[in-house]
Amino acid sequence: GQQVMQIPQYQHVQEGEDFTTYCNSSTTLSNIQWYKQRPGGHPVFLIQLVKSGEVKKQKRLTFQFGEAKKNSSLHITATQTTDVGTYFCAGRDSWGKLQFGAGTQVVVTP
Amino acid sequence: GAVVSQHPSRVICKSGTSVKIECRSLDFQATTMFWYRQFPKQSLMLMATSNEGSKATYEQGVEKDKFLINHASLTLSTLTVTSAHPEDSSFYICSASLQGYTDTQYFGPGTRLTVL
Repeated sequence: GQQVMQIPQYQHVQEGEDFTTYCNSSTTLSNIQWYKQRPGGHPVFLIQLVKSGEVKKQKRLTFQFGEAKKNSSLHITATQTTDVGTYFCAGRDSWGKLQFGAGTQVVVTP
Repeated sequence: GAVVSQHPSRVICKSGTSVKIECRSLDFQATTMFWYRQFPKQSLMLMATSNEGSKATYEQGVEKDKFLINHASLTLSTLTVTSAHPEDSSFYICSASLQGYTDTQYFGPGTRLTVL
């Protein structure tokens, strides 16, 4: 079955630094979504990527969908303390089912 | 828009009792609702998908008789954990979408279940 792997599992970032989290699927995805979950909170939808090679930006966040539609990345520039949380990717397979990656827990130190 | 609520937010119960969790879409009609389970510091695991007026589709390994799902209307789905045991303690999160699998899912705030 489809597997969605996400790395790293844990990211410790100094405020102001950049970091990237990566998502890889064992099968081709119809689309991929990214969510952010603050500590103690619930997942909040960030963005959906559909097209091969698509790149979308939300302020300091840059989302990319690979050419083969099997991988994706989220890059955050100039990290702020408000970026703390766990970032999940979720890949949608050809049957429409959404499978979540394990998440990248981000800790930001001032 | 697209707000999903869950009730209760936190519940503690004794082993052997049943617990009902409600998931409501407040400002839209949800064709499909999803129930997830999340263990501490782990990802969301899809338990089942329910469409209004029809039986829920359970993921492999999820016991239908243990986790009863009812999607009575386009704005309400309930998850009942029957004869709860300590290993059922978890964070249960529902999500709702307008148009089934392919549409964006909006998540509820979750319910923290602790079984003593």
